[in-house]
Amino acid sequence: DVKVTQSSRYLVKRTGEKVFLECVQDMDHENMFWYRQDPGLGLRLIYFSYDVKMKEKGDIPEGYSVSREKKERFSLILESASTNQTSMYLCASSSRTGGAFFGQGTRLTVV
Amino acid sequence: GNSVTQMEGPVTLSEEAFLTINCTYTATGYPSLFWYVQYPGEGLQLLLKATKADDKGSNKGFEATYRKETTSFHLEKGSVQVSDSAVYFCALTLNTDKLIFGTGTRLQVFP
Repeated sequence: DVKVTQSSRYLVKRTGEKVFLECVQDMDHENMFWYRQDPGLGLRLIYFSYDVKMKEKGDIPEGYSVSREKKERFSLILESASTNQTSMYLCASSSRTGGAFFGQGTRLTVV
Repeated sequence: GNSVTQMEGPVTLSEEAFLTINCTYTATGYPSLFWYVQYPGEGLQLLLKATKADDKGSNKGFEATYRKETTSFHLEKGSVQVSDSAVYFCALTLNTDKLIFGTGTRLQVFP
């Protein structure tokens, strides 16, 4: 069974903390993505990566950075967490033939 | 720019009713089109896809036909079940690039 695994289902962090969200895929996919999901706004792309050490900004990259040191792992970093980053974060991967597979999501609360 | 527009929910139906969730798109070029489903507390799952005009994607009784002339990809099911209650997302991708999502449509099916 193909799998995208996010390291945490639920996280609570304090304002100003540096937060790491980890995502691992076992499908040897080239593309990996980080989205956030908020009520009424759907899914918004934060960052994506086409290959190891490559990254591209999505629609809402401010306040976030990413790291892709290995093909199977794509990390999202909140440099200094703020309350407006409270959200559901979804990681996905896809091959070049299209169609993405998603992780279970991480619900992050910043207090 | 490229975008996806879905009908607003919630869509509320009785079991065995016919379902249509409308989706239209705007794209520069020829996109691939997808429907994803998100059950409560879970990540997104690929439901079906179509990669060229007049293709019909189908899965689990759901169908959608890629209509280039109307730039639409409406989701249909002949007889819904309570277990189909979920949020449905229409999405597109160009050149196997990032997925662009609609805002999602919540479906509620009552016995």
